[in-house]
Amino acid sequence: GAVVSQHPSWVICKSGTSVKIECRSLDFQATTMFWYRQFPKQSLMLMATSNEGSKATYEQGVEKDKFLINHASLTLSTLTVTSAHPEDSSFYICSAASGREETQYFGPGTRLLVL
Amino acid sequence: GENVEQHPSTLSVQEGDSAVIKCTYSDSASNYFPWYKQELGKRPQLIIDIRSNVGEKKDQRIAVTLNKTAKHFSLHITETQPEDSAVYFCAASTSGTYKYIFGTGTRLKVLA
Repeated sequence: GAVVSQHPSWVICKSGTSVKIECRSLDFQATTMFWYRQFPKQSLMLMATSNEGSKATYEQGVEKDKFLINHASLTLSTLTVTSAHPEDSSFYICSAASGREETQYFGPGTRLLVL
Repeated sequence: GENVEQHPSTLSVQEGDSAVIKCTYSDSASNYFPWYKQELGKRPQLIIDIRSNVGEKKDQRIAVTLNKTAKHFSLHITETQPEDSAVYFCAASTSGTYKYIFGTGTRLKVLA
């Protein structure tokens, strides 16, 4: 149980385009989902917390207009990187929590390369 | 806000030896401390966790200890094997927020 999927697993795009990443909890309802960014050989940096049906809470320094988060259902959250630039290239990982326990279950990540 | 420090950043041990990774946290309200293992290019996987009402927890070769007074917790891996080689992250969380603050990670290399 507690499986989280993420799509796509990797994406290459041109500078200036937008990229949407989906995060799904497959076998449980996720009241809260989290989006992280991880640069090579670094830790996971929390970008934002999203609760189903409400606006995401962004961490300090994360531009909410650039990283649009939607959590439309208890099993799906999306992250859209708008007007992507090479410095946005990174490994983006989502996680989900059921609300019944503190454990977060992570998706497999999406590797984004902006040319 | 919460700050989590993790040491060492890299650790090499001989197969069969023990490995210890230490983390300290700053927010006394933190009460949940998971440890994740991440292999290269893969998702973090929960390997063990501990809550603040417990001082120690063990699962086969893996154990975690927590000292609430000193605000530090440690991961202990005994009888290390090459497949234990990975990056390990500690995290701290406050009940009800489900939000994790991660440590900087420890790259463990088990030498055969």
